[in-house]
Amino acid sequence: AQSVTQLGSHVSVSEGALVLLRCNYSSSVPPYLFWYVQYPNQGLQLLLKYTSAATLVKGINGFEAEFKKSETSFHLTKPSAHMSDAAEYFCAVSSYRLGGSQGNLIFGKGTKLSVKP
Amino acid sequence: DGGITQSPKYLFRKEGQNVTLSCEQNLNHDAMYWYRQDPGQGLRLIYYSQIVNDFQKGDIAEGYSVSREKKESFPLTVTSAQKNPTAFYLCASSTDSRTYEQYFGPGTRLTVT
Repeated sequence: AQSVTQLGSHVSVSEGALVLLRCNYSSSVPPYLFWYVQYPNQGLQLLLKYTSAATLVKGINGFEAEFKKSETSFHLTKPSAHMSDAAEYFCAVSSYRLGGSQGNLIFGKGTKLSVKP
Repeated sequence: DGGITQSPKYLFRKEGQNVTLSCEQNLNHDAMYWYRQDPGQGLRLIYYSQIVNDFQKGDIAEGYSVSREKKESFPLTVTSAQKNPTAFYLCASSTDSRTYEQYFGPGTRLTVT
């Protein structure tokens, strides 16, 4: 079974500082991994995804993530935080269901990022 | 523009009433999903549907019902049997049967008093 753990429910950084949001996954098969961002009272927007091509994945708004199989991690980073990055971030892994039925995504509990001026 | 619409944005109901949340997509996606979001809980899957006239229970289906009569539409009914219906509800769709990448609607915030 697949699962996702996001370390830290809240992360606070200063504007211009490095952003690091942690995600570890568990999967018995090669995983597909995603990072989504959610602004208050809105839906989720895809930031980036790992689909077994390059291990360093670049996304929108200057974010990137590196897939590390040995560490079962897919941490999200951004070199310099902006005030507009304040939001909640969700890591997700594809979940496969037996018998050929439709799979879905398993989401972590989310990390709220605050950016201080 | 293609996308997913959910209406209304905010919904208020009295306890004991059933309420139906709308989800429509014009992305021509086969699969659709309903999630419930509570603070600190992440997203929990309620129901999903791979094709028209077929749907499966997710992890927290009790107290909810769905229908999939058209490819574009996947309405969710929150019944009076749902003990804690107040939450933010998100609808999503997917066309990727390999990765299950999902596109999300803007959500409906349901408050039951």
